[in-house]
Amino acid sequence: DSGVTQTPKHLITATGQRVTLRCSPRSGDLSVYWYQQSLDQGLQFLIQYYNGEERAKGNILERFSAQQFPDLHSELNLSSLELGDSALYFCASSVEGWGKETQYFGPGTRLLVL
Amino acid sequence: DAKTTQPPSMDCAEGRAANLPCNHSTISGNEYVYWYRQIHSQGPQYIIHGLKNNETNEMASLIITEDRKSSTLILPHATLRDTAVYYCIVRGYSGGGADGLTFGKGTHLIIQP
Repeated sequence: DSGVTQTPKHLITATGQRVTLRCSPRSGDLSVYWYQQSLDQGLQFLIQYYNGEERAKGNILERFSAQQFPDLHSELNLSSLELGDSALYFCASSVEGWGKETQYFGPGTRLLVL
Repeated sequence: DAKTTQPPSMDCAEGRAANLPCNHSTISGNEYVYWYRQIHSQGPQYIIHGLKNNETNEMASLIITEDRKSSTLILPHATLRDTAVYYCIVRGYSGGGADGLTFGKGTHLIIQP
């Protein structure tokens, strides 16, 4: 158990819909990262937040957005969903978000878009 | 971050040491070598990391060559639960900011009973 929690574990929705995935970092960690893992693209970094502020962006689509709240939990919002958005979504956290810090991953949310 | 090359798959007998190689010939002086593994569709699990000295923890040992162009992750007594995809990641230290980890395809390690 890494200490990072994610809800829900599974999500099934239809194309065109919007969903919100939630992540709580390890106690004491200020930085949160979101990753997407699909069959054809592998594990890809989407976005990073540190203490409520966006710090880095990866391959995140414009239809996706995220935020980190004052209690440090983070939410990833996915809108206008397409079949290709079906994937595992992982959240990770680290203490301050610097490059040499170890990131600890949550168990993931499996999203299925029908 | 420097690119890494790993064999796509490896087999190892249960109870034996599993040695997973990784090439990172373009690694620079301030880049660390990290290893993660992913069991089935679970979240990636941190194993170990190092800069230039060999490292050991309760899960594994990491051997980095003197020129730092390659490394080996060693699981000393592999069990069936070690069957997973193992990712070798080179990660720079960036004092002014950071971004996500770059995962390749990794090595699918299969432990045989």
